[in-house]
Amino acid sequence: DVKVTQSSRYLVKRTGEKVFLECVQDMDHENMFWYRQDPGLGLRLIYFSYDVKMKEKGDIPEGYSVSREKKERFSLILESASTNQTSMYLCASSLRQGPQHFGDGTRLSIL
Amino acid sequence: DQQVKQNSPSLSVQEGRISILNCDYTNSMFDYFLWYKKYPAEGPTFLISISSIKDKNEDGRFTVFLNKSAKHLSLHIVPSQPGDSAVYFCAALHMEYGNKLVFGAGTILRVKS
Repeated sequence: DVKVTQSSRYLVKRTGEKVFLECVQDMDHENMFWYRQDPGLGLRLIYFSYDVKMKEKGDIPEGYSVSREKKERFSLILESASTNQTSMYLCASSLRQGPQHFGDGTRLSIL
Repeated sequence: DQQVKQNSPSLSVQEGRISILNCDYTNSMFDYFLWYKKYPAEGPTFLISISSIKDKNEDGRFTVFLNKSAKHLSLHIVPSQPGDSAVYFCAALHMEYGNKLVFGAGTILRVKS
């Protein structure tokens, strides 16, 4: 069974802080994704990676960066957190094609 | 500009009856469609998918129908059970662009016992 693990379920940070969200998958998947989920907007893609050290912008990359130094790990970085980045963040992984498998999410609050 | 739309924010159905969740899309390049289910405090779970070369796919109580000319798909759950109460997301992708999904806003399904 695919396991996608996000390092924190809940996180509270202050405006201007640099925030790291970590995601690890155990199925040797090539693709990894970061989304944010907001009420009425569904899931919106922030960044994705289709291989180690490769990254591509999704639909809402502004204010975020990512890092994929190892195949199993994909990190989302908020360079300088702002209150409008308060959201549920979801990580997913997949083979080159096929359904994406999601972690349980990190609820991030920026005060 | 939402390319995938779920126009019903919520749906309430009696246990044992059929639940029909609808999804519309605008991008004619989409060629693969998926439904995900999400419980509170959990990540979305893949439910069922359909390729654009088909018009129906069935898996147990779940059936997805695709009408390409109308750019519309629907998820039927028969019979509905209280455990089906969750948020359902429709998603679409264009396979040439890789495995990037575009999600709808979701529909909250409540199945009453």
